[in-house]
Amino acid sequence: QVQLVQSGAEVKKPGASVKVSCKASGYTFTSYDINWVRQATGQGLEWMGWMNPNSGNTGYAQKFQGRVTMTRNTSISTAYMELSSLRSEDTAVYYCARVGRPGLRNLDYWGQGTLVTVSS
Amino acid sequence: SYELTQPPSVSVSPGQTARITCSGDALPKQYAYWYQQKPGQAPVLVIYKDSERPSGIPERFSGSSSGTTVTLTISGVQAEDEADYYCQSADSSGTIEVFGGGTKLTVL
Repeated sequence: QVQLVQSGAEVKKPGASVKVSCKASGYTFTSYDINWVRQATGQGLEWMGWMNPNSGNTGYAQKFQGRVTMTRNTSISTAYMELSSLRSEDTAVYYCARVGRPGLRNLDYWGQGTLVTVSS
Repeated sequence: SYELTQPPSVSVSPGQTARITCSGDALPKQYAYWYQQKPGQAPVLVIYKDSERPSGIPERFSGSSSGTTVTLTISGVQAEDEADYYCQSADSSGTIEVFGGGTKLTVL
């Protein structure tokens, strides 16, 4: 069965960076794009960007341009999202999600979420 | 920047029909997707490509599109349908994804 398993919760100081991992299993990792979405406590979903695990091509929301980097290690079927220059407003649950069908944008499988807390 | 607009809340009694709308200028050109999210859980896809239902999603969930508005309809609402619902789509260029602000469905 398809699974996306994310790394554990992180606590970071303002100005630091965080790198969240997303390990895929149950399907061919390089055949489906990965998106990253975050959600602050009590707030809505916010799309951060996408990555094609086969090519490594990425696309980022303008809000995160220059601060976010999405990468992958195909040998271990794992995607990564690194966010730098953290500030308190970046405190949120970060999700990875698989795009279910080429040419569409449906996020059919999601990771369990990783809580990132930014606090001095 | 591109935005999708949803009502903050919708309330219905059990057995009634709930309709949640999502408006955006690019919706005539781009498909919409709907997600259900319950507290403490990751979102679940309930509608894709405006009106297609993934396997395992009950038939009471349906989607439709008309101009710049898409609608998620839940017929015969059950208590377990109480959740936050989000629409998702892309801007007219297809390069940027956006989520609506979310709608809290309350089952009275």
